[in-house]
Amino acid sequence: SQTIHQWPATLVQPVGSPLSLECTVEGTSNPNLYWYRQAAGRGLQLLFYSVGIGQISSEVPQNLSASRPQDRQFILSSKKLLLSDSGFYLCAWSAYAGGEKLFFGSGTQLSVL
Amino acid sequence: GENVEQHPSTLSVQEGDSAVIKCTYSDSASNYFPWYKQELGKRPQLIIDIRSNVGEKKDQRIAVTLNKTAKHFSLHITETQPEDSAVYFCAASRGYGGSQGNLIFGKGTKLSVKP
Repeated sequence: SQTIHQWPATLVQPVGSPLSLECTVEGTSNPNLYWYRQAAGRGLQLLFYSVGIGQISSEVPQNLSASRPQDRQFILSSKKLLLSDSGFYLCAWSAYAGGEKLFFGSGTQLSVL
Repeated sequence: GENVEQHPSTLSVQEGDSAVIKCTYSDSASNYFPWYKQELGKRPQLIIDIRSNVGEKKDQRIAVTLNKTAKHFSLHITETQPEDSAVYFCAASRGYGGSQGNLIFGKGTKLSVKP
């Protein structure tokens, strides 16, 4: 069966510090991978998605970037965090071939102070 | 692009009552409509989904209906229980690869079931 791992679960970072969140998927090959952000009490905002290694599409221009160095690894990064980057970050995957069902990781609660 | 509107934003019901959450979508080419449940501090989890060739789908106390002509779909929860309390998200997509296959989510409905 497929599983998705996301870490860390919580993170407190000062403004201007770098960020690296990692997500890995097991039990499937060539998944579509996604990063979503959820501000407190708000909806799910798609940040980045990837259909393959090195292929990243950005949905919202911002202070963040994403990379996919391996087939089942997706990384969210920032060189300098802003207060507005605080939120609940969720990694997700779907099957590549016609897969609409989205499966989410457990999320990272990021607080930028 | 697709736009999904979800109502109400908050919903409070008594235990045992029914709850209905409604969503409308703008892209007539959308053909896949899932619903996710997110408990506080947890990940969203798929609870039911429907495709455009089906008008209704049921799974125990949960049902989803789709009206393609009006471009709206609804989640129905019967005999609500306190553990149904959560935020519910609807979503829509064209259901194939590339950016057009990406799910577009509604803003969510916070459901509170009072014992």
